[in-house]
Amino acid sequence: GESVGLHLPTLSVQEGDNSIINCAYSNSASDYFIWYKQESGKGPQFIIDIRSNMDKRQGQRVTVLLNKTVKHLSLQIAATQPGDSAVYFCAEIGNDYKLSFGAGTTVTVRA
Amino acid sequence: KAGVTQTPRYLIKTRGQQVTLSCSPISGHRSVSWYQQTPGQGLQFLFEYFSETQRNKGNFPGRFSGRQFSNSRSEMNVSTLELGDSALYLCASSLQGGTIASGNTIYFGEGSWLTVV
Repeated sequence: GESVGLHLPTLSVQEGDNSIINCAYSNSASDYFIWYKQESGKGPQFIIDIRSNMDKRQGQRVTVLLNKTVKHLSLQIAATQPGDSAVYFCAEIGNDYKLSFGAGTTVTVRA
Repeated sequence: KAGVTQTPRYLIKTRGQQVTLSCSPISGHRSVSWYQQTPGQGLQFLFEYFSETQRNKGNFPGRFSGRQFSNSRSEMNVSTLELGDSALYLCASSLQGGTIASGNTIYFGEGSWLTVV
């Protein structure tokens, strides 16, 4: 089926280290991908996006990589901080105006 | 500027009742979409509206409905509530729907927590 999935449900990271969260997608028609962060009791917060005509995009402490050949998306967080602890979702969208989400990766930052 | 605003934030309803949730998009955004989030099913797409027209609908029963007003504000309604409808209902807005052609991103509100007892 067509779905977006994350490789690992949980990730534990030492404070100050870099984090890498992976995501595989199967819908080759998707042309826009977004990473969201969701803290407990809150709605998903936009982190960074990337369109299918790009391979890499950088933000503040975050980088998203898109490999269309293997349908893989990753989010890299530099110098992970305690405030980065949350559930991270990748999502894809095509021309149907519908975001399809992966199951999410729970990131825990160890002090 | 203000983000996506959803009301109410929390509500408790009884089985068989109906509920209406409201969403005010970011100023200037004309696309509003709704999602249901549960621990078991994750984030599931309900429907998307643009200029008062529903452009896509997810795989939910007819008890779930929505509408959009001329000022882009949106409401969703769930009739004949069931226990399984307990969830976080999220509204998201964007300029035109988030596709690459329209070149815009999608922002979420904080959600409405619905508990059905």
